[in-house]
Amino acid sequence: QVTLRESGPALVRPTQTLTLTCTVSGFSLTTRGMCVAWIRQPPGKALEWLARLDWDDDKYYSTSLKTRLTISKDTSKNQVVLTMTNMAPVDTATYYCARMSLMSGVVDYWGQGTLVAVSS
Amino acid sequence: DIVMTQTPLSSPVTLGQPASISCRSSQSLVHSDGNTYLSWFHQRPGQPPRLLIYDISKRLSGVPDRFSGSGAGTDFTLKISRVEAEDVGVYYCMQATQFPTFGQGTKVEIK
Repeated sequence: QVTLRESGPALVRPTQTLTLTCTVSGFSLTTRGMCVAWIRQPPGKALEWLARLDWDDDKYYSTSLKTRLTISKDTSKNQVVLTMTNMAPVDTATYYCARMSLMSGVVDYWGQGTLVAVSS
Repeated sequence: DIVMTQTPLSSPVTLGQPASISCRSSQSLVHSDGNTYLSWFHQRPGQPPRLLIYDISKRLSGVPDRFSGSGAGTDFTLKISRVEAEDVGVYYCMQATQFPTFGQGTKVEIK
């Protein structure tokens, strides 16, 4: 059974760095043709892809946010970590991790999401 | 980045009647491998999105056949043949031909 679970702080202060962890089970982060993505959704707004980490450690970032994002993985812990620097109130959102097949573009499993508020 | 534009943004429908959502991309979604990576998701409040359709028209296993996808190039459509109460929520199109991007979402509600 494939699952993904996000964890991280519920509240961060402006200018701080956010670190989120996605812990996966039921598949390997090195499974050929798979990737794990971070996607966010501000309250009442649309979904936005942030970053993607492929099975072979290739990394891709949103054009508008790439200077603030870093994605990495710890294969031994089955975890994918996203850091986002210089947080601001507009970054308040539910942050999801999800699995995608690179062969088909199918995003088939999502975590439940974690709500992060940015406020002083 | 490829911009995905959905219309309408809100769709009040009568139970048992059809619904249709359009999604237009700012450039062709045909990948160099010949595939078109266009998907549709359904999201209920407080829940993550759920994949309905991928590769324009392929239904994920378990998705009712009242959902269908069509289109090519830059213009795509999701149709619900007969809306049921459980279909309310927000629908998103998403392209994965380049770095993935979503449409703004279309809210389907019952009249």
